[in-house]
Amino acid sequence: DAKTTQPTSMDCAEGRAANLPCNHSTISGNEYVYWYRQIHSQGPQYIIHGLKNNETNEMASLIITEDRKSSTLILPHATLRDTAVYYCIVRVANQAGTALIFGKGTTLSVSS
Amino acid sequence: DGGITQSPKYLFRKEGQNVTLSCEQNLNHDAMYWYRQDPGQGLRLIYYSQIVNDFQKGDIAEGYSVSREKKESFPLTVTSAQKNPTAFYLCASSPPGRQSSGANVLTFGAGSRLTVL
Repeated sequence: DAKTTQPTSMDCAEGRAANLPCNHSTISGNEYVYWYRQIHSQGPQYIIHGLKNNETNEMASLIITEDRKSSTLILPHATLRDTAVYYCIVRVANQAGTALIFGKGTTLSVSS
Repeated sequence: DGGITQSPKYLFRKEGQNVTLSCEQNLNHDAMYWYRQDPGQGLRLIYYSQIVNDFQKGDIAEGYSVSREKKESFPLTVTSAQKNPTAFYLCASSPPGRQSSGANVLTFGAGSRLTVL
């Protein structure tokens, strides 16, 4: 799996957009970008994933650069409940015999 | 509603005792996983199973054991051989279809927090 780099922490004001970056400069052509988040003392929650096109769902948007070497998770209107650790993971779709590896992620703090 | 149930939520044990953490899912997922999380750290993979009666060691399997006798259940036993078992334990599952990007969409349980006294 390609290595990812995320900032250790970020702050965001409530109601503003939270833009969480992820660098994956060694990503290969068949690797997807996945985002999860973990609210304190809970299990991680899947947010979104994509290959090359930008993706949007009810939780967030995922913007992947044209060269696919970096991506940004966007929470359009952050709330206090979005305070969590956000994990960016790069992985092929059909990797047999292994499991997702979670790094330390980005701690997002949303304040009023 | 479908989901993953972990029990107990909190568990205390004395040194030298084995303890088993339960993980049950009704999502009809083939693959199940156990992760361990220490304060301020990411998740580390203990064991995973992609089909019934088969499982593989993860990065930190020493001192742990698992079984996968039923598709719905993947219990984790923390043995006395695990030197530092105090941690937050997370169970997850993922759908079938290793050719699909959705196979990497994991559903997690709420976790079990084990404290060794």
